[in-house]
Amino acid sequence: EAGVAQSPRYKIIEKRQSVAFWCNPISGHATLYWYQQILGQGPKLLIQFQNNGVVDDSQLPKDRFSAERLKGVDSTLKIQPAKLEDSAVYLCASSLDTGGGEQYFGPGTRLTVT
Amino acid sequence: SQQGEEDPQALSIQEGENATMNCSYKTSINNLQWYRQNSGRGLVHLILIRSNEREKHSGRLRVTLDTSKKSSSLLITASRAADTASYFCATDSRETGANNLFFGTGTRLTVIP
Repeated sequence: EAGVAQSPRYKIIEKRQSVAFWCNPISGHATLYWYQQILGQGPKLLIQFQNNGVVDDSQLPKDRFSAERLKGVDSTLKIQPAKLEDSAVYLCASSLDTGGGEQYFGPGTRLTVT
Repeated sequence: SQQGEEDPQALSIQEGENATMNCSYKTSINNLQWYRQNSGRGLVHLILIRSNEREKHSGRLRVTLDTSKKSSSLLITASRAADTASYFCATDSRETGANNLFFGTGTRLTVIP
C-alpha cells in the first residue's frame, strides 16, 4: 500500500512570497489533515477535510493560509503572503474516517522563510 | 490549550535498557495514541489505547492510561539504537466532538549503542 505523498520536500522562499504544498493521501482514505510542526514542538492541526468538505479549520490563519480538496482526493495548502514565523514542517496525514483513530503521515514539506 | 505534555523532554539511555515516557493531558478523551518521529520524517503510529482501557501491549511497547489522573506512559523495553526518535502522545477530545488529534510537545529519546 502506497503511503501519503507530499511535495515538495523542501522549499525556501522570501517573506511576502507565496508557496503551495501538495498532498496525495492513501487511496480510500476519506479524511485528510494538514498540520504545522514548528521546530521542537508537536504537530498542530491547521485543517481537516472529510472527502471534499471542511470539518475543522479553526486554527487555520485564514488571512494568509488556504487549502482545498476539490475532488476529495488530493489537497493543496497555500500560504500567501508568507511570514518568517511560517517556517516549519507542513505535514499531511490521512485516515479512513473521522473516528479519531490512527492517522497516516506523509514525510512533510520543510518550509524556510527568509 | 488541549495539547498534552510529555515528560521528560529528552531521555538518553544505553542500548538494552528500558525507556519510559509520560504524557499528561487536560480534557476528557475518547482515546490516546502514541507516535514516533525519526529526524526529518513524518510521524508513525505506534499504539492506540481507548479511554476504557488501562494497559495495552504491542511488541516491546507497553502503554498505560490513567484517566483519573489524565496521564499515560509509554514503556519501550530492551531498547535498540533504532528506537532513537521523538515520541509524541496525541489525544482527541470528547468535549469538542471533532475527533481532532492534539499532540504533545514530545520526548526526544536517544539510545546509545
